[in-house]
Parts: sequence; structure tokens; C-alpha cells
Amino acid sequence: NAGVTQTPKFQVLKTGQSMTLQCAQDMNHEYMSWYRQDPGMGLRLIHYSVGAGITDQGEVPNGYNVSRSTTEDFPLRLLSAAPSQTSVYFCASSYSLPGHNSPLHFGNGTRLTVT
Amino acid sequence: KQEVTQIPAALSVPEGENLVLNCSFTDSAIYNLQWFRQDPGKGLTSLLLIQSSQREQTSGRLNASLDKSSGRSTLYIAASQPGDSATYLCAVSAGANSKLTFGKGITLSVRP
Repeated sequence: NAGVTQTPKFQVLKTGQSMTLQCAQDMNHEYMSWYRQDPGMGLRLIHYSVGAGITDQGEVPNGYNVSRSTTEDFPLRLLSAAPSQTSVYFCASSYSLPGHNSPLHFGNGTRLTVT
Repeated sequence: KQEVTQIPAALSVPEGENLVLNCSFTDSAIYNLQWFRQDPGKGLTSLLLIQSSQREQTSGRLNASLDKSSGRSTLYIAASQPGDSATYLCAVSAGANSKLTFGKGITLSVRP
């Protein structure tokens, strides 16, 4: 059982470049989300989805886009990378909404550096 | 706005010690509270989830308690081992779409 798979593990971008961080889960989870983790800031929610075709903004959505065309995949797109987007990005999923007492499962993260 | 605090930021204990990690939150209107473990360079692993109607949950050497009215949770680790060294984060689920708010974590080092 692969769980939550994120690719790539590491990425270096130049300012202004765009890229897509991939996230896939094989647990048939309805809820998927993207977080960024920065030193001293903790984990902050970027975007989330409660099911295929439904997405919504989290705490820090600016500069990022998401889509959810299938239950399994939830890619995160950086439109025009900025140094402030240097961070570790985590994708997480759960069977239903976190408030419905479904534990959250995390991928191993993507370390992104923007120069 | 919900705020979650974990103090201290780091803790070092000798092997075999029983220890308590604290988590506090500002808004008691939560659905649940989760404790996670994060190893260096890895994602978070869910350890325990306590529903708002529950007082505690246990898994092996771990016991988590919840006092919703006072906005506090504790994670008790019995007979600590070097393999318990990691960062422990708590998170509360509240509000629209029950989003999780995370604390910044406590980095635990268990000395052999």
C-alpha cells in the first residue's frame, strides 16, 4: 500500500518559473490537502479538496493553483515561482473531512528552493 | 482565529524516563485533536486522534488526553526510548470544513 506519494522529492527553480508538484493517494480518500512547512511558522494550509471537482483555499493560497479531476490526484501548481515560496511542501489525505475523525495521512514532502 | 501552542520547542531526556508533551489551543469549539510524529526529512505520521467527546486515547506506550474546556491536551510517553526521538506536533480540527490548525511542534531527543 503506497499511501500518499509526492513527486519530486527535491526541486530547484529560478524566480518566475512555473512547475507542478504531484500528489497521488491510493486509499480512496475524499479529502486531500496541501501544506507548506517553514521554520518557525509551522504547517500552513495552502489549498484543499473535499472530493473530485471541488477545491477551496486555505490560509496561504496566493501564488498557487490546484485542481482535482480524479479522486486519486491533487497536483499543486506554482504559477510564477518567488523566493518566498522556498519551503517544504506536504500533501495529506484522509477518508473524510478532518472533523469527521479521519486521521490525516501525509506524503514525504517536496523540498523546493527558488533562487 | 484558532492558535495552537506547544512549549517547550525542544526537550532532551534520558532513556527510560516517562514524559509529558503539552499542547494548548485558544478556541475550545473543536471537532477533534490529533497528535503526529515527524522524523527528519519525512512527512507526519498520525499517532492518536481524540474526538471532542473523548477524554483520552491510548496506543501502546502513548496516551493522549484532552481537556476541551481548558484548551489543553497532553501526550504521555511511557518508558521513553532513543527511537522516540522525533518532532511531535498537535493539531486541532475546527471551523468551516473542519480545517486543521497545527502547533509548531516539540523536538524530543531521548539520550541512550
